[in-house]
Amino acid sequence: QQPVQSPQAVILREGEDAVINCSSSKALYSVHWYRQKHGEAPVFLMILLKGGEQMRHEKISASFNEKKQQSSLYLTASQLSYSGTYFCGTEWNNFNKFYFGSGTKLNVKP
Amino acid sequence: EAGVAQSPRYKIIEKRQSVAFWCNPISGHATLYWYQQILGQGPKLLIQFQNNGVVDDSQLPKDRFSAERLKGVDSTLKIQPAKLEDSAVYLCASRGLNTGELFFGEGSRLTVL
Repeated sequence: QQPVQSPQAVILREGEDAVINCSSSKALYSVHWYRQKHGEAPVFLMILLKGGEQMRHEKISASFNEKKQQSSLYLTASQLSYSGTYFCGTEWNNFNKFYFGSGTKLNVKP
Repeated sequence: EAGVAQSPRYKIIEKRQSVAFWCNPISGHATLYWYQQILGQGPKLLIQFQNNGVVDDSQLPKDRFSAERLKGVDSTLKIQPAKLEDSAVYLCASRGLNTGELFFGEGSRLTVL
């Protein structure tokens, strides 16, 4: 039921790019992306809806491939502030059960 | 606009004791979630409410966990008796109809000794 995220961890130098993937075995209605910093609650980044467009939050963008039931988060020209754990959250119908993936820990170094 | 309020922030108890967590969602948010987040893992859905009705509680260990949302506003999550493996952060989130995003409280960190 929970979506599967990959990779589990990424280490980057400032300015480098990264891609985080989230996949589901079941047809999805929406995919959310959240970032959580150590000791804090998850913070919303963006939502992708079935049939919707690619979304963007600053230099972070995401896409949703309905055929593959997969979403990808693209972090471009990473900044130190991007460090944290990224979670995708999915639901099969609007306001149905909302499950999170296991997370991808991103560490951006100077 | 006030955010999601949770209390207590921290709680330390002995195993077999009981504990209760409280959550007050953002005003007007009909959907409320309780998640359990064990260190290094993703949030695990325990229960989802729509107003005061339960949408999903399939992952709630019902022999020891209970939750209620009286009057469709604030909610309490209770654990009785607690086990060592219940040590985690308990996150409450609420969701409005318009944006769809989940708003999280700061969480309640439980340590069971």
